Amino acid sequence: KAGVTQTPRYLIKTRGQQVTLSCSPISGHRSVSWYQQTPGQGLQFLFEYFSETQRNKGNFPGRFSGRQFSNSRSEMNVSTLELGDSALYLCASSLVGLTPNEQFFGPGTRLTVL
Amino acid sequence: DAKTTQPPSMDCAEGRAANLPCNHSTISGNEYVYWYRQIHSQGPQYIIHGLKNNETNEMASLIITEDRKSSTLILPHATLRDTAVYYCIVRANTGTASKLTFGTGTRLQVTL
Repeated sequence: KAGVTQTPRYLIKTRGQQVTLSCSPISGHRSVSWYQQTPGQGLQFLFEYFSETQRNKGNFPGRFSGRQFSNSRSEMNVSTLELGDSALYLCASSLVGLTPNEQFFGPGTRLTVL
Repeated sequence: DAKTTQPPSMDCAEGRAANLPCNHSTISGNEYVYWYRQIHSQGPQYIIHGLKNNETNEMASLIITEDRKSSTLILPHATLRDTAVYYCIVRANTGTASKLTFGTGTRLQVTL
């Protein structure tokens, strides 16, 4: 079974631009979560999507948004990029059940904002 | 979700058991203990999780104290490829929500 895939793997943008990152979950997984990892703040939860609906959100400004499609693929968008948005953005997918399930992470997209 | 405390770093000789401790003294009755690891420049990898009983899988064993206030992840025969940052996470059984709250983890260095 193929793992979680993220595209692109690397991205360079300039301040003020906007960026869209893509995540394809493991087949059959309907929950997709996004995380930001920086040296200073570590791994932080951005949001989670399930059945095309955002059902959990971390403490990030409104410039960070996402969506999920009917095939469970997800995209996240960051508008008006700032230098501090430089980070590794990780996507994770999981099955949905009555008890917490393990999340499977993709390799991440490394975003550099100049 | 409860807060966890882990030592910032540990060393282990290859072939020996690596025992990684985690303190979660404020854990609630419905909260699970999860362990993930992150090898440099890769996404985190799930290792194991448990509620109150000890658990074992092909990667590791998880020992949870009877009062559930602490746990230990055991890698029985550490190899160089086990060098990574190990995260202990406590997560409530909130039905289907999947949020993970990562701390700073323990950086395990396996040496020859």
